[in-house]
Amino acid sequence: AQSVAQPEDQVNVAEGNPLTVKCTYSVSGNPYLFWYVQYPNRGLQFLLKYITGDNLVKGSYGFEAEFNKSQTSFHLKKPSALVSDSALYFCAVRASQGSGNTGKLIFGQGTTLQVKP
Amino acid sequence: DGGITQSPKYLFRKEGQNVTLSCEQNLNHDAMYWYRQDPGQGLRLIYYSQIVNDFQKGDIAEGYSVSREKKESFPLTVTSAQKNPTAFYLCASSHRGENTEAFFGQGTRLTVV
Repeated sequence: AQSVAQPEDQVNVAEGNPLTVKCTYSVSGNPYLFWYVQYPNRGLQFLLKYITGDNLVKGSYGFEAEFNKSQTSFHLKKPSALVSDSALYFCAVRASQGSGNTGKLIFGQGTTLQVKP
Repeated sequence: DGGITQSPKYLFRKEGQNVTLSCEQNLNHDAMYWYRQDPGQGLRLIYYSQIVNDFQKGDIAEGYSVSREKKESFPLTVTSAQKNPTAFYLCASSHRGENTEAFFGQGTRLTVV
């Protein structure tokens, strides 16, 4: 069975400082990993994804994520946080089906990022 | 505009009633999903469909039903068997394939009164 864990309920960071939001996963076969952001009472917005290749993935709004296969992690990062980055962040995983099927997209429980001025 | 439309935005249901949440997409996506969001529990998969006339149960399908008669539409019915239906419901869609990201609607907040 596939699963995602986001070990921190909340991350606090000062504006201008680097931020990291952690994600670890468990899946059989090759993982496809995604990060999303959610603002209050809204749907989720896609930030970035890892499919294969370069372990450092760049995405929207200056975010990037580092894939580490040995640690089964896919941490979200940003070099300099903005107050407007404050939101709920979700990591998600889809296992490789090997058959072209789309399969389940499973989410972690979310991490609230609070960026203070 | 292309996108996913969920309606209504807010829905109130009396105990014992069935209620249907609408989800329509014009992105020409094959796959569609329904998630339930509760505080502190993230998104939990209710049902998903990879193609028209086919769907699979997710992790919390009990008390819910779906249909996929058209590519554009994936309605979710919350039945009276769902013991705690008050939640925020999110619909999503994606192209077929493992490496495709999903696009989300704006959600429906269901409250049992």
